[in-house]
Amino acid sequence: GESVGLHLPTLSVQEGDNSIINCAYSNSASDYFIWYKQESGKGPQFIIDIRSNMDKRQGQRVTVLLNKTVKHLSLQIAATQPGDSAVYFCAEKGYAGGGADGLTFGKGTHLIIQP
Amino acid sequence: DVKVTQSSRYLVKRTGEKVFLECVQDMDHENMFWYRQDPGLGLRLIYFSYDVKMKEKGDIPEGYSVSREKKERFSLILESASTNQTSMYLCASRGRPEAFFGQGTRLTVV
Repeated sequence: GESVGLHLPTLSVQEGDNSIINCAYSNSASDYFIWYKQESGKGPQFIIDIRSNMDKRQGQRVTVLLNKTVKHLSLQIAATQPGDSAVYFCAEKGYAGGGADGLTFGKGTHLIIQP
Repeated sequence: DVKVTQSSRYLVKRTGEKVFLECVQDMDHENMFWYRQDPGLGLRLIYFSYDVKMKEKGDIPEGYSVSREKKERFSLILESASTNQTSMYLCASRGRPEAFFGQGTRLTVV
């Protein structure tokens, strides 16, 4: 079956540096992708999303890039802060003809901020 | 803002007990989901519902059941709790297309 994965379970960056978290997906029919942030002891929080007809989308300090050719998704966080420390998940939605077409999640990358 | 509320943050139950986990959303979403989250395994879908009184099995439904009597409420039931059901349980509510999560219930079965 299709799967969504992340390249690294842990990523350590210096405070103030930019962070890049990667995700590979295998379902070429996926038309929508989301990044979630999960802080310790909390539920995942929506960060940013992107549709398959886009290559790039920017939010506040975050940018998501989508490369459909190689089925790769990345989340870039500018000027990483201590509050960015969390586990980051990517999720994809494949096309389904109605119903509760759910999301497939990656296993997550734990972003650690070094002072 | 969408709000998804799970009734408990932490629960400790005994083996064999019947356990109810409640989830309420306030955005009139049709689709609701229950996941469990375990280290190294990520989020795994237990059950989902796309309408009142409708339910569908996810990837790991064994040992669980669900109830959706009202649109805003989706309950997960552990018929007879076992120690391998110790986990973080996450409820999600889905608009079109994004999904929003509750804060999670950490269940320990002893």
